[in-house]
Amino acid sequence: GAGVSQSPRYKVAKRGQDVALRCDPISGHVSLFWYQQALGQGPEFLTYFQNEAQLDKSGLPSDRFFAERPEGSVSTLKIQRTQQEDSAVYLCASSRRWSGGNEQFFGPGTRLTVL
Amino acid sequence: QKEVEQDPGPLSVPEGAIVSLNCTYSNSAFQYFMWYRQYSRKGPELLMYTYSSGNKEDGRFTAQVDKSSKYISLFIRDSQPSDSATYLCAMSQGNEKLTFGTGTRLTIIP
Repeated sequence: GAGVSQSPRYKVAKRGQDVALRCDPISGHVSLFWYQQALGQGPEFLTYFQNEAQLDKSGLPSDRFFAERPEGSVSTLKIQRTQQEDSAVYLCASSRRWSGGNEQFFGPGTRLTVL
Repeated sequence: QKEVEQDPGPLSVPEGAIVSLNCTYSNSAFQYFMWYRQYSRKGPELLMYTYSSGNKEDGRFTAQVDKSSKYISLFIRDSQPSDSATYLCAMSQGNEKLTFGTGTRLTIIP
């Protein structure tokens, strides 16, 4: 079956612009995660949804970052008034929720460059 | 100090060699341990997934977890040039966020 898909794959924004990044999780996966990966670093957690509920947003770096998953499927990560330090790869992952596990499957990422 | 420490490398080994990658961690609440492989400009791909301490083998890959030492390892036997990638360790307490290491860049030399 299809994996996690993300769009756009690449986004160039001028400083101060708003951007929206989309994630389509694996069908039937209840949990959805957003991570930010800086160059040469491991992914860092941003936020987590279970169905449409945002259960953890402790990793969002500022109030310019906002995520939603209104129908419990597709999710959008929005960054307002982008800054150069927002340049990174934004990764989405999804997982089945079951009592004992946490296998997360990642999409290809959106590479954001803020000029 | 980071919760998860991983030597970033780079690590270069000849084709056919056994590769050993490892991570240490400080949070004793971590229960689930994963290894991901990430090719350049691609998303991380789940390689191995283990719960608590012990060994798990899948083909040429073996994952080991030693919770008493807070140390996890990934071994790759008969390494191939196609194994050249960045290897990320990741761990979690349960059904929530993963905490990643920095990643080790591995090159297999033909």
